[in-house]
Amino acid sequence: AQKITQTQPGMFVQEKEAVTLDCTYDTSDQSYGLFWYKQPSSGEMIFLIYQGSYDEQNATEGRYSLNFQKARKSTNLVISASQLGDSAMYFCAMREGENNFNKFYFGSGTKLNVKP
Amino acid sequence: EPEVTQTPSHQVTQMGQEVILRCVPISNHLYFYWYRQILGQKVEFLVSFYNNEISEKSEIFDDQFSVERPDGSNFTLKIRSTKLEDSAMYFCASKGEQGNQPQHFGDGTRLSIL
Repeated sequence: AQKITQTQPGMFVQEKEAVTLDCTYDTSDQSYGLFWYKQPSSGEMIFLIYQGSYDEQNATEGRYSLNFQKARKSTNLVISASQLGDSAMYFCAMREGENNFNKFYFGSGTKLNVKP
Repeated sequence: EPEVTQTPSHQVTQMGQEVILRCVPISNHLYFYWYRQILGQKVEFLVSFYNNEISEKSEIFDDQFSVERPDGSNFTLKIRSTKLEDSAMYFCASKGEQGNQPQHFGDGTRLSIL
């Protein structure tokens, strides 16, 4: 089974509107971390936001927020007030367990296009 | 803000040749990683490195691959005899001590095998 599933290969959003990118995960560990990265066309991986499995509040970071539903094993990224510069690939990733050095599992990504 | 730097940004190599990809992690980080991303596909874990030894490696990281931290700053990935299917973007990442810190990625090296 896939550890991280992103079911939306591509999404369109109108500039200034909000958009939600879906991510579900699969783990039997009680402790894990969930991360979102943005990859513009230039290729670099930019960290956006983090949610810990024990965090009771949904994470927020500027225009980025997470809708973390632990029972459903989902951590959807919400981008508010979309900007043209938000057009990029977005990857959801998970670190299982508490060990600091554990690898990340990545989803297949969602390509977001922001329309003017 | 400190960042992970990778060199070169693009490497073109003949099949069968050795290639070394270089990375300078963030200076106070202790955990280091290599990932690869074949064009249009997901990012895949290759290897993690801590305290001068490999912590974990994936099935992709076979005997053709090796990693080294030759001095206090550089972290290298060597591919001994490159194959066409090694063509990919290779990302180095590093991480600090705390569990909730993200892995910080470099801008990647695009490796093209001819």
